[in-house]
Amino acid sequence: AQSVTQPDIHITVSEGASLELRCNYSYGATPYLFWYVQSPGQGLQLLLKYFSGDTLVQGIKGFEAEFKRSQSSFNLRKPSVHWSDAAEYFCAVGAMGSGNTGKLIFGQGTTLQVKP
Amino acid sequence: GAVVSQHPSRVICKSGTSVKIECRSLDFQATTMFWYRQFPKQSLMLMATSNEGSKATYEQGVEKDKFLINHASLTLSTLTVTSAHPEDSSFYICSAASANYGYTFGSGTRLTVV
Repeated sequence: AQSVTQPDIHITVSEGASLELRCNYSYGATPYLFWYVQSPGQGLQLLLKYFSGDTLVQGIKGFEAEFKRSQSSFNLRKPSVHWSDAAEYFCAVGAMGSGNTGKLIFGQGTTLQVKP
Repeated sequence: GAVVSQHPSRVICKSGTSVKIECRSLDFQATTMFWYRQFPKQSLMLMATSNEGSKATYEQGVEKDKFLINHASLTLSTLTVTSAHPEDSSFYICSAASANYGYTFGSGTRLTVV
């Protein structure tokens, strides 16, 4: 069965510091992987996605993620965090063969707190 | 870019009444729409998947008679919480999927049943 694990429930970093949010998945084939960000009481905004090709994916707001098949991971990174990055981050995996339109399975989420 | 409008953003209803939540893709046609439920500080739990003109497919454990989903057109899906009770209070989010834009999420609906 598909599953997504975000090992870190809560992370606190100082503004300007680098950030890495971990995501591990369980899947039977090449997954479609996503990172979303959610501000309190809001919907989800897509940061980036991986379908195929280059395993280092660039996203919006200076985020990037690297797909590592051998580790079943898709970690999200940002070189320098801004206070406005404080939010909830979700990693998600798409159903096999679905392209853009299969259902997504979400990880538990990681709450990012940014210290001034 | 693709926009999904979800209404209402907040609703308070009395126990036993029904509430309808609307999800509309504004500038694209959605192949499929998904409905999620999110409890405070928790992840999104997929409730059901709906395709235009077809019956929704519900995830295990989701009561289809309680959470009625209608997907009458390629741009509109509705979720009706019937005979709502306090335990149905939650944050509900829809997502519209299309080949061109991928997944686009609504801004969510905070339902409080009193």
